[in-house]
Amino acid sequence: QQQVKQSPQSLIVQKGGIPIINCAYENTAFDYFPWYQQFPGKGPALLIAIRPDVSEKKEGRFTISFNKSAKQFSLHIMDSQPGDSATYFCAAERKNNNDMRFGAGTRLTVKP
Amino acid sequence: EAGVTQFPSHSVIEKGQTVTLRCDPISGHDNLYWYRRVMGKEIKFLLHFVKESKQDESGMPNNRFLAERTGGTYSTLKVQPAELEDSGVYFCASSQGVHEKLFFGSGTQLSVL
Repeated sequence: QQQVKQSPQSLIVQKGGIPIINCAYENTAFDYFPWYQQFPGKGPALLIAIRPDVSEKKEGRFTISFNKSAKQFSLHIMDSQPGDSATYFCAAERKNNNDMRFGAGTRLTVKP
Repeated sequence: EAGVTQFPSHSVIEKGQTVTLRCDPISGHDNLYWYRRVMGKEIKFLLHFVKESKQDESGMPNNRFLAERTGGTYSTLKVQPAELEDSGVYFCASSQGVHEKLFFGSGTQLSVL
């Protein structure tokens, strides 16, 4: 049973566009929601994360929007660049439990 | 500071053979995790060590998988005997504590033919 559902599976945007990746979860016990970025041949690396007590978090060109009532969160990449081309994974973690549940990943391509 | 290292980076074996994957976490990280990603699907939790103890192994698919963490340092994941459905990328990750940043290795691409 997949605990975190991510969409779309793949996404192609032009340079400067704003790709949006969406995730939804069921378990209300989740209290930490990170996004990971993975380049080919590398492991996933933490990009940005949010806790459910805020509705938005911004770090540079990356923004997480969080909707607690809808149990959804999304990643927005402003002014996307070809170097942002990677696979992005959303994830969720439970309070007092140190394992992470991941989405299926979104393969983003930013065309020059 | 060295990151999480995994060995080998690729392994191709035949069905029925045994394979052992190794993970060296970041020094000082008590928490070590194994994950697996089957092609195109989610990164799936396998198990979690705190030091040398298995904290949670609820994600281990079956008893063909055996994970150990000797002395709370490096960890191994053995698959014996390997089946076709075991193919995928096996990631190891480590962290210092709960909700702390998770550092991933580059993964081991396992292909069972």
